[in-house]
Amino acid sequence: AQRVTQPEKLLSVFKGAPVELKCNYSYSGSPELFWYVQYSRQRLQLLLRHISRESIKGFTADLNKGETSFHLKKPFAQEEDSAMYYCALKVGSEKLVFGKGTKLTVNP
Amino acid sequence: GAGVSQSPRYKVAKRGQDVALRCDPISGHVSLFWYQQALGQGPEFLTYFQNEAQLDKSGLPSDRFFAERPEGSVSTLKIQRTQQEDSAVYLCASSFRTGGNTEAFFGQGTRLTVV
Repeated sequence: AQRVTQPEKLLSVFKGAPVELKCNYSYSGSPELFWYVQYSRQRLQLLLRHISRESIKGFTADLNKGETSFHLKKPFAQEEDSAMYYCALKVGSEKLVFGKGTKLTVNP
Repeated sequence: GAGVSQSPRYKVAKRGQDVALRCDPISGHVSLFWYQQALGQGPEFLTYFQNEAQLDKSGLPSDRFFAERPEGSVSTLKIQRTQQEDSAVYLCASSFRTGGNTEAFFGQGTRLTVV
């Protein structure tokens, strides 16, 4: 069965420190993975997707099929990065399976 | 341009009451999704439309849940005889086309509280 696991419910770092939000998946097909972010009082929005291999707001994520992971990383966290982060797996051609989310707090 | 719009933003229903939640997707978006997000959880898939066709309703938790998109634009999620376990945020999302590498845009959600 398809599943997305985000082992950390809460993550707290200081401004300027590196941050890594973990995501592991279980899926028998070819995975397509995403990171969504929800800032306070805002709607859920796409941060990045593995297919694009892009860096958004300094964040990157690399798909590791051997470890079935798609961890989100940023070398120097900023206070405005504080938000809920959800890892998601596209199943079939359309629907998304989400992890439970990690709340990131960046302290000044 | 306007994003995905959901109404009402908040709904309080008495147990046993029927509710209807509305979603206005981004104009021209073919795909429309409903997700349910319980407190402290990630969104969970309910159902998916491609234009007016409901192609996947595997996530609907019971036959009390019904969704429609009759003209391929606005969608309504109806919950009959609401129960306390239905309390959650209901999210609607739309995307321009089907297939891979398409971004889903989410609405603000409707927070349903069943008392």
